[in-house]
Amino acid sequence: NAGVTQTPKFRILKIGQSMTLQCTQDMNHNYMYWYRQDPGMGLKLIYYSVGAGITDKGEVPNGYNVSRSTTEDFPLRLELAAPSQTSVYFCASRTAGELFFGEGSRLTVL
Amino acid sequence: AQSVTQLDSHVSVSEGTPVLLRCNYSSSYSPSLFWYVQHPNKGLQLLLKYTSAATLVKGINGFEAEFKKSETSFHLTKPSAHMSDAAEYFCVVSLSGGGADGLTFGKGTHLIIQP
Repeated sequence: NAGVTQTPKFRILKIGQSMTLQCTQDMNHNYMYWYRQDPGMGLKLIYYSVGAGITDKGEVPNGYNVSRSTTEDFPLRLELAAPSQTSVYFCASRTAGELFFGEGSRLTVL
Repeated sequence: AQSVTQLDSHVSVSEGTPVLLRCNYSSSYSPSLFWYVQHPNKGLQLLLKYTSAATLVKGINGFEAEFKKSETSFHLTKPSAHMSDAAEYFCVVSLSGGGADGLTFGKGTHLIIQP
């Protein structure tokens, strides 16, 4: 049982480039989330989804987009990378109040 | 509105001594409360959760937490620290009954274990 799988684990981008962070879960959870974690700031919610075809903005959505075409997949897209998007990104799925996290994707924008 | 405050950004204890990580919350509704642990370069893992059953909650690896409504606190404790406990700990509050975005994270407490 893989749980929540994120790829890539590390990536360096140049300013203005685009990329997609992939997230897949095999637990058939309806709720999925993308968070970013900055040092000393805890986790901030970027986007979330309550099921296939349904997404909504979190606390810090600017500069990001998501889609949810299947229950399993919840990719996060950065269209025009900026240095402020340098962070560690976590995908999570949720059931009965408990969150299950991926191991994170460390993104650096130079 | 709900919020959660972790009172210490860093806690340092010696191996074998007790651990206390403090968390206070505010919520207009009956909350669910969680503690998560994050080891270096890893995702967050659930330690324990309170969901309006017993106020003293036992979790993994010998950790426990007590929900005190009168003090709006949910402090995490462990009787005897182990080197493997060194990690970042997050207190999380959720509106009772869920709400897809109804999770609020504390800023984390970095636990350091001295040999």
